[in-house]
Amino acid sequence: GESVGLHLPTLSVQEGDNSIINCAYSNSASDYFIWYKQESGKGPQFIIDIRSNMDKRQGQRVTVLLNKTVKHLSLQIAATQPGDSAVYFCAEIPNSGGYQKVTFGTGTKLQVIP
Amino acid sequence: EAQVTQNPRYLITVTGKKLTVTCSQNMNHEYMSWYRQDPGLGLRQIYYSMNVEVTDKGDVPEGYKVSRKEKRNFPLILESPSPNQTSLYFCASRGLQRDTQYFGPGTRLTVL
Repeated sequence: GESVGLHLPTLSVQEGDNSIINCAYSNSASDYFIWYKQESGKGPQFIIDIRSNMDKRQGQRVTVLLNKTVKHLSLQIAATQPGDSAVYFCAEIPNSGGYQKVTFGTGTKLQVIP
Repeated sequence: EAQVTQNPRYLITVTGKKLTVTCSQNMNHEYMSWYRQDPGLGLRQIYYSMNVEVTDKGDVPEGYKVSRKEKRNFPLILESPSPNQTSLYFCASRGLQRDTQYFGPGTRLTVL
């Protein structure tokens, strides 16, 4: 719901511009990363994922970049649309302990200005 | 349609009154999990289950119980709710492979 977006860093982008959302992860043993989108009143939805043997992966209008050296992940959204307004957060999964040990970032709120 | 359902979606209760939030998935997924989401803290895992009768604690299990008697259902039980359990709760499921998790729509719980 709306309270999910409170206290979060906010990125305001003009409609049609590109958006870049960043995420710093903590575990150097993480080898699988996911970006989620959470709209108001809904559960998180999968956007795109990337494995640690890659540094870039593209989807439809979205690109994820992974920099393992500085433990940084970014999500790029091309030609941002009003429907992209949501909270975005990354998740990291280690290569040991199984996939159940998912650690989520706190999220960034994307506001698209029409 | 593949989905994870949760009930109820909204619940206001009082301290100490036992409650159960149900979760059901129709994708024959082995893995199910419960999270709570709080402002500034993100999603934190409460409990997870790798299969029927197999459950384990996540990062914040205190005050919660779960059961996995059937593959499709994974209820979250609060035996004696307290105000610090006021939160937004999500159930999620996925298959055995390292693929995406499907999240339910969320349950907003308020404990007075």
